Amino acid sequence: DIQMTQSPSTLSASVGDRVTITCRASQNVNKWLAWYQQIPGKAPKLLIYQASSLESGVPSRFSGSGSETEFSLTISSLQTDDFAIYYCQQHNAYPWTFGQGTKVE
Amino acid sequence: QVQLVQSGSEVKKPGASVKVACKASGYLFSDSYMSWVRQAPGQGPEWLAWINNYTGGTKLSQKFQGRLALTRDTSISTAYLELRRLQSDDTAVYYCARDVGHNGIFGALDVWGQGTTVSVSS
Repeated sequence: DIQMTQSPSTLSASVGDRVTITCRASQNVNKWLAWYQQIPGKAPKLLIYQASSLESGVPSRFSGSGSETEFSLTISSLQTDDFAIYYCQQHNAYPWTFGQGTKVE
Repeated sequence: QVQLVQSGSEVKKPGASVKVACKASGYLFSDSYMSWVRQAPGQGPEWLAWINNYTGGTKLSQKFQGRLALTRDTSISTAYLELRRLQSDDTAVYYCARDVGHNGIFGALDVWGQGTTVSVSS
């Protein structure tokens, strides 16, 4: 299975900060990577697909980049609603796998 | 609006089976895949399988081969997950999630159900 490793596990930030989360894949996943946001107790929400494409309705302060094994999610100016847990997910090979999550607090 | 509504919480004993329903509305059900993802307490999500709602074809994670089945009823726009021979480590929130295939590529899950808690305990 492809292992997805996110860093950091926890990130302390303030409203207005620029925040970057990294996701590393144990094998090449090309650009088949998605990012999700999860509020505890709620379902995940798709933010980014195919590494850098913004899902419809997602604020433009979210952006994704990377390819093959190194990816990042950036929030350009952190808002109150953005305090959550973020997951990356690869869908290049089965089984599709998620990272362990990054909590933005 | 596009919505997935799942069936209610389940409490099961080890060795039992559970069947979770996911009713879709607001879009053409057969034009998408449905993935199932679970999340154990305090853990990251785990992908289980998908079903092609048009053909009924499925792809299962090898980890669940032999005890997981996905079905759908297109007449009522509902997908089902059945997991057999439950053990305590199957305790999790189970989600259905739509996959419309962005640019023809499946894997990014754009609409999620509210989750169904399955608790397995003797």
